[in-house]
Amino acid sequence: QQPVQSPQAVILREGEDAVINCSSSKALYSVHWYRQKHGEAPVFLMILLKGGEQMRHEKISASFNEKKQQSSLYLTASQLSYSGTYFCGTEGAGGSNYKLTFGKGTLLTVNP
Amino acid sequence: EAEVAQSPRYKITEKSQAVAFWCDPISGHATLYWYRQILGQGPELLVQFQDESVVDDSQLPKDRFSAERLKGVDSTLKIQPAELGDSAMYLCASSFTGTGTAEAFFGQGTRLTVV
Repeated sequence: QQPVQSPQAVILREGEDAVINCSSSKALYSVHWYRQKHGEAPVFLMILLKGGEQMRHEKISASFNEKKQQSSLYLTASQLSYSGTYFCGTEGAGGSNYKLTFGKGTLLTVNP
Repeated sequence: EAEVAQSPRYKITEKSQAVAFWCDPISGHATLYWYRQILGQGPELLVQFQDESVVDDSQLPKDRFSAERLKGVDSTLKIQPAELGDSAMYLCASSFTGTGTAEAFFGQGTRLTVV
């Protein structure tokens, strides 16, 4: 089951904040966040595990609500370098095999 | 810094021809993934290896796609015959374990265009 991301796209001015959401219809074991710049490979940002703590990567943080099967990525005081497409990847709970299913992505554009 | 190597970076092939992609994961990574990414979409898992064994190929179109990782190191993904709808970026990724707690490192990908 592919997770659903929202919004599909967001445009910010440098220094503004943004939130990207990821939700699943299935119980989740973990949520991964990646950023992909145009023409490049996806780059790992962070993993959130069931029962784990909120994670941070520089000024980017994320939370994982296990009961709601949702994760949110918080970009604070955005920088030009934050521009790119953000993907969440989810692994379903109870699985014996690690299978990462990605959402369709959220395109973030940060303008000067 | 260790990287996942993929080749070729770009491939243009005619419909009905065979095409192959190669991936060399980060040394010591037991888990290797092949993903297909259509422009504007998220990566879609095609096949997952744990060492030399396939642990998930449920989304692999087996009538035309095949993948192998003979010695549990590098891997090859083949398409025969290629169809117009196969045009996409093919990404290889590897991780130290397949437990869900390890990050996946992606290669630069092979962009396939079928004409």
